[in-house]
Amino acid sequence: DAKTTQPPSMDCAEGRAANLPCNHSTISGNEYVYWYRQIHSQGPQYIIHGLKNNETNEMASLIITEDRKSSTLILPHATLRDTAVYYCIVLNTGTASKLTFGTGTRLQVTL
Amino acid sequence: NAGVTQTPKFQVLKTGQSMTLQCAQDMNHEYMSWYRQDPGMGLRLIHYSVGAGITDQGEVPNGYNVSRSTTEDFPLRLLSAAPSQTSVYFCASSYSWEPTYEQYFGPGTRLTVT
Repeated sequence: DAKTTQPPSMDCAEGRAANLPCNHSTISGNEYVYWYRQIHSQGPQYIIHGLKNNETNEMASLIITEDRKSSTLILPHATLRDTAVYYCIVLNTGTASKLTFGTGTRLQVTL
Repeated sequence: NAGVTQTPKFQVLKTGQSMTLQCAQDMNHEYMSWYRQDPGMGLRLIHYSVGAGITDQGEVPNGYNVSRSTTEDFPLRLLSAAPSQTSVYFCASSYSWEPTYEQYFGPGTRLTVT
């Protein structure tokens, strides 16, 4: 599975959009991009995933560049409850779902 | 649905003791897995199971055993606890082993080995 690179921390004002970048320059054609988050030592929570098209659900949007070497998770209106560590994970579709968590991005949402 | 449940929430063991961490899910999920998370680190996969009777090793399997006799339960056994196994343990389940299905995580078991 391709490795990912994320900034260690980011801040965002409540009500503003939070844009979390992820670099996965070695991604291959059959690898998905996944985002999970972990709020204060709870179990990780799935957010969204995509292959090459942009995706949106009730929680967030995922923008994947055309060359698929990077992506951005967008929380459109961040709230204090979105303060968490966000993990970008690349997974090969041909094998069992073995998530590889790096150290992620710690997002701090402030008033 | 209760989702993924884990017991106990907290446990303190002495070096050399054995114990079983329990994990259960009520979503009829085929795929289950165990992760550990050390302080300040991401989660690492210990063992996983793609269905009842089938298990395989993850990234850090040494010192742990698993079995999957039912769809619902996936216990993790520590054979002889060591201080290096002090960690938070998370169990997860998913509808299928295929990565296109999201995984649901339990609340974790915080284990301290002295």
